[in-house]
Parts: sequence; C-alpha cells; structure tokens
Amino acid sequence: GAVVSQHPSWVICKSGTSVKIECRSLDFQATTMFWYRQFPKQSLMLMATSNEGSKATYEQGVEKDKFLINHASLTLSTLTVTSAHPEDSSFYICSARVTGMQGEKLFFGSGTQLSVL
Amino acid sequence: ELKVEQNPLFLSMQEGKNYTIYCNYSTTSDRLYWYRQDPGKSLESLFVLLSNGAVKQEGRLMASLDTKARLSTLHITAAVHDLSATYFCAVDIMNRDDKIIFGKGTRLHILP
Repeated sequence: GAVVSQHPSWVICKSGTSVKIECRSLDFQATTMFWYRQFPKQSLMLMATSNEGSKATYEQGVEKDKFLINHASLTLSTLTVTSAHPEDSSFYICSARVTGMQGEKLFFGSGTQLSVL
Repeated sequence: ELKVEQNPLFLSMQEGKNYTIYCNYSTTSDRLYWYRQDPGKSLESLFVLLSNGAVKQEGRLMASLDTKARLSTLHITAAVHDLSATYFCAVDIMNRDDKIIFGKGTRLHILP
C-alpha cells in the first residue's frame, strides 16, 4: 500500500520553541493531507485539512497561528507548532488520501509524539 | 454536525469468545473505515466499506455497513490475544465537507 512517512517520531522541546513536523507521501502524490491530534487513550481529533498550493482549512477551535500548516508540494505537508507550551504535548498524526482501484483510502503516518517541557 | 458514536468504549473478553463493536453515525456518508491502533503507534487500516450491505472479512475480523441504519459493525470471531488493540471507526464525508470524523475508539483487551 501507499506509504506516508512522518518525521520526527518523537520530539522533546522547551516551552517557547517551535517544532516542525513533516509528512511525506513516498510513492504517490497527495493533493490533500490531514493533520490529527491524539491525547492519550482518546480518539483522533482533526486539526486541519491541508491542500497542496492553497491555505489549510482549520477545524473550529484550532488556532491557525499556533499550528502552521504548509503544503508546498504534492508530496510534503508540514505542521509547525509555534511557541510550544506543555499543553501542546500530544501525539500528532498526518494522513493522506489515496485514490486507487478500490476507491479512496486514507493512509497514516507513523505519528509524532511531542513533549513540551 | 456529523457525530460518530462507537460502543463499547472498552471491552475485556476472553480468548475464544465472539463480540461485536458498533459504530453509529448521524448523517449520510461516502464511506466508512475501520482502523486498528496499538499503543504508541499510528493507525493501521483494516477495512473500507463503500456501500450499503458491504461486508468484508479479514481473518477473525468482519466488518459490515448498513447505510440506511447508519450503522457499521466490527465482529470479532474466536478472539485471540493478538487482537488486543484500540479499534476506531471513521466516517468519510469528503464529498460534502472534505473531512473524516473518528469515533472515540474501542479499547479491546483480550485475556489469555
């Protein structure tokens, strides 16, 4: 199946720093990628939909200035957590939609565990 | 607003038993997904259900979709310990709202 590579898998940072998370589609082009946030033992919460070449669409309650999304190419979307604080500590997962012979599927990156001290 | 309700949220069962996880959703959808997540890991795609009456099976797992009732089920047959994980259903309303909404997940713990 399609491969979505997410990097880094784990990052620890000091409060106030910015962290960039990359999501790459390795063997296909992804016009649309999604960014999710997951707290321990909870479900995935959609943060934003990232479309190549245009501005991301943020879900209600998600600060666009806090979580900067850039989808500059068909194979790369980035999420930058700006001025991170401990409450931003979470598991962040990207996904990409792939259209194939069996219809559309959603493939997920391996996730990034962000710990803000 | 699309709501996806999954139940039970937690299930502990013994090996060899059968059980069903239910996923109800509040509006028409384009497709429905089932995913598995192991602790600290990302999501693994299990099934994609595209149409009313769709039934898919993989090993001890079988998923079905009833679009009229807005209900999907994930049935586990003769559970084994390796199936312990969290299972999520997700409803796709891409064509209308370009998003996929997840249920809260069912934490399945299978006792040896």
